[in-house]
Amino acid sequence: KAGVTQTPRYLIKTRGQQVTLSCSPISGHRSVSWYQQTPGQGLQFLFEYFSETQRNKGNFPGRFSGRQFSNSRSEMNVSTLELGDSALYLCASSSTIGGPGANTQYFGPGTRLTVL
Amino acid sequence: AQTVTQSQPEMSVQEAETVTLSCTYDTSESNYYLFWYKQPPSRQMILVIRQEAYKQQNATENRFSVNFQKAAKSFSLKISDSQLGDTAMYFCAFTSNYGGSQGNLIFGKGTKLSVKP
Repeated sequence: KAGVTQTPRYLIKTRGQQVTLSCSPISGHRSVSWYQQTPGQGLQFLFEYFSETQRNKGNFPGRFSGRQFSNSRSEMNVSTLELGDSALYLCASSSTIGGPGANTQYFGPGTRLTVL
Repeated sequence: AQTVTQSQPEMSVQEAETVTLSCTYDTSESNYYLFWYKQPPSRQMILVIRQEAYKQQNATENRFSVNFQKAAKSFSLKISDSQLGDTAMYFCAFTSNYGGSQGNLIFGKGTKLSVKP
């Protein structure tokens, strides 16, 4: 199976702009989670989507939002970008069906966002 | 709140030797999952090994094995016959995947492992 893919891989934006990142999960995976990784804060959970519904959300401001489509692909959007939003954004997918890989998250290569 | 602690920010090991990375966690859940991920300089997060809390047998994957001590809430990773390609940041992670926790992996701060020739 193909792995998790994320586009774009690199983005440079300026303060105040908005950005949309895309994630395509492993075929058959219906759960998609998003994380922000920074040197100072480490890996922080943003939100999780399952069957087009947000089931869980981390402690981030409302400028961070996401959605999931019927084919399980997910997007996250950051509005009114701030310098502190510069980070590696990782997407992960998992299967909720039982079996040896259940509840295991597989990560994409990430999108590196730089805000100037 | 659930937490994951990795007390070794950096470690180094000679090629072909064995190294153990430590991880402790805190939870009130009885059923959960623990993971070790590696993140090489490419920044791709790669699953190394997975352990289900209700399974008493320690997980193994080739040169990688864990020592899971549920009562002590400890989950260490042993890498045998270390290879240069094992050089990476290693993250310990936890999820209970129950109500309110779906899809939320809680990560430790990571241990930077350098394998020296």
